[in-house]
Parts: sequence; structure tokens; C-alpha cells
Amino acid sequence: AQRVTQPEKLLSVFKGAPVELKCNYSYSGSPELFWYVQYSRQRLQLLLRHISRESIKGFTADLNKGETSFHLKKPFAQEEDSAMYYCALSGGYTEYGNKLVFGAGTILRVKS
Amino acid sequence: NAGVTQTPKFRVLKTGQSMTLLCAQDMNHEYMYWYRQDPGMGLRLIHYSVGEGTTAKGEVPDGYNVSRLKKQNFLLGLESAAPSQTSVYFCASSIDKSPLHFGNGTRLTVT
Repeated sequence: AQRVTQPEKLLSVFKGAPVELKCNYSYSGSPELFWYVQYSRQRLQLLLRHISRESIKGFTADLNKGETSFHLKKPFAQEEDSAMYYCALSGGYTEYGNKLVFGAGTILRVKS
Repeated sequence: NAGVTQTPKFRVLKTGQSMTLLCAQDMNHEYMYWYRQDPGMGLRLIHYSVGEGTTAKGEVPDGYNVSRLKKQNFLLGLESAAPSQTSVYFCASSIDKSPLHFGNGTRLTVT
């Protein structure tokens, strides 16, 4: 069964410190992974997807198939990074769309 | 440009009552999704759709029905609400197959 685990409910770091939000997945096929973010009083939005291999707002994520992980990293945290972060795994594409499986989310709190 | 709009924002129902949640998008997106989010859990897919008249079941479809009579609207219906359907419901749309634009959510309480 497809599953996404985000082991930390809350991650608290100081401004300027490195950030690593952990995401582990369970999937028998070729995984496709995403990070979504929800800032306070804003809508959930796509942050990045691994196939794009891009850096958004200084965040990067590398798919590690050996460790079945897709951790989200940023070298220097900023206060505006405080938000809820969700890791998601594509449970398969059908003609109707992408059946994403979401993790429970991690709250990132950046302290000044 | 409103994006994805969900109505209502909040609703309290009694067990057995019915209601319809409306999701409207003004971006001409083909793909639309309904999710529910419960405490301590990630979003779970209820139903999804590509274009008018085509819908499919997601991970947790029981107790829900959907309709997509117009491309811009995706309706989620609860025919006989149960306390287990107390949740926050999110709608999303996208131009490709991966959900991109989300609504603000509907908080539903069933007593």
C-alpha cells in the first residue's frame, strides 16, 4: 500500500538555521513526490515536485530511492517559511487525474 | 481572478440530513478533486473528475456522491450525513493531472 510518513508534527528552528523536513514513503512502483505548503490564513499550494528538480523559495528536495525518502531542505530558515508542509506521493495516474497520497504534515516554526 | 471558490465555509448538520458542497473554478481547468482532512491525517481523496460528466472514486468515496455538470463546478453531496463525515473538505483543480489550486476549505460538523 502507498503510504507517506512525516515523522515530525512540529519542527522548530531559529532564523538562519538549516531546515530539514522529513518525508518517507512506501510505494512499490516508480515514485513521484511532491511538497505542498500552507501558510497561515492562505490556501494549500504546490511548493515543488521532484520531477522538476527545481528550487522554490530556497527549498530543495531530493528523491532517495534507497532510503525511500524525499526530505525538504533549506540552508537558512527565514521567518516567512513558518507554515504547514505536506509531503505527497502519487498513488497512480488515471484518466481522471493524479491520486495523491498525503502525509499528515509538519508544522515548521521559525523563531527569531 | 477568484481561482477556486468553495461554498459554504462552515456548516453544521444533524445526522441524516443532506447537503451539497460547491466548488467553482474560473481557470478552465479540466481536473478537479475533492479531499477531506481529519485531525492528524493528511488529505484523503474522495472523488475526482476530468471534464464535464466524468467522475471517479478516490480513496474514501463511501457516503459521498459528486457531479460535474459544468466544467467549472464540482459538487460534493452527502445524502445522509453521519458524524464520521465531520471533517474539513478541500477542493482542488489543475490544468495537468496534479492538483495545483486549492480552495479555502469547508468545515463541516455533523452532530
